[in-house]
Amino acid sequence: GAGVSQSPSNKVTEKGKDVELRCDPISGHTALYWYRQSLGQGLEFLIYFQGNSAPDKSGLPSDRFSAERTGGSVSTLTIQRTQQEDSAVYLCASSLAGQGASMSYNSPLHFGNGTRLTVT
Amino acid sequence: SQQGEEDPQALSIQEGENATMNCSYKTSINNLQWYRQNSGRGLVHLILIRSNEREKHSGRLRVTLDTSKKSSSLLITASRAADTASYFCALRLYNQGGKLIFGQGTELSVKP
Repeated sequence: GAGVSQSPSNKVTEKGKDVELRCDPISGHTALYWYRQSLGQGLEFLIYFQGNSAPDKSGLPSDRFSAERTGGSVSTLTIQRTQQEDSAVYLCASSLAGQGASMSYNSPLHFGNGTRLTVT
Repeated sequence: SQQGEEDPQALSIQEGENATMNCSYKTSINNLQWYRQNSGRGLVHLILIRSNEREKHSGRLRVTLDTSKKSSSLLITASRAADTASYFCALRLYNQGGKLIFGQGTELSVKP
């Protein structure tokens, strides 16, 4: 079936503008993650959604960053007043996390191809 | 830091040789996962090892986990040029729900 879909694949924006990045997870996946990856670096955790639970926002770097997940499916990551240091690849992933601990924690993540954001 | 620390940062080998990458961490985990990334885009899941497991195999991949030393290793046997990629360990931290924290990665280059 279809994998995780992210759009746009590339985004160039001017410093100070707002941007919205979209993630369409695999159908039926209840967990959704956002990560940021700067050039040649590892993945920086941003936010995690699990079903109807309150999201884990502990990785959001500033209050300029926010994310929503509507109807338990599509998610949007919004960056307000973009800065040059926001330039990175933003990766979304989903997983088949269930309600029980044994299933929740042992499901692998399926990643999209990311959105490359360039702030000029 | 809660993330895994990987060693080496970069590894260059000849085709046919084995490649070993290590991941160390500092906190308790539910499981540890390894992922592969080509060309700085999406990651692909390779293998998951639970905290009560010591070794797992998948094809040419072998993963070990030593929770007393808080370390894991990924061994790729009989490497191929197509194995050239970045490899990341990821930690499912104990008592932190579903959050998955990634290490900085090992860049593997396999020369034909």
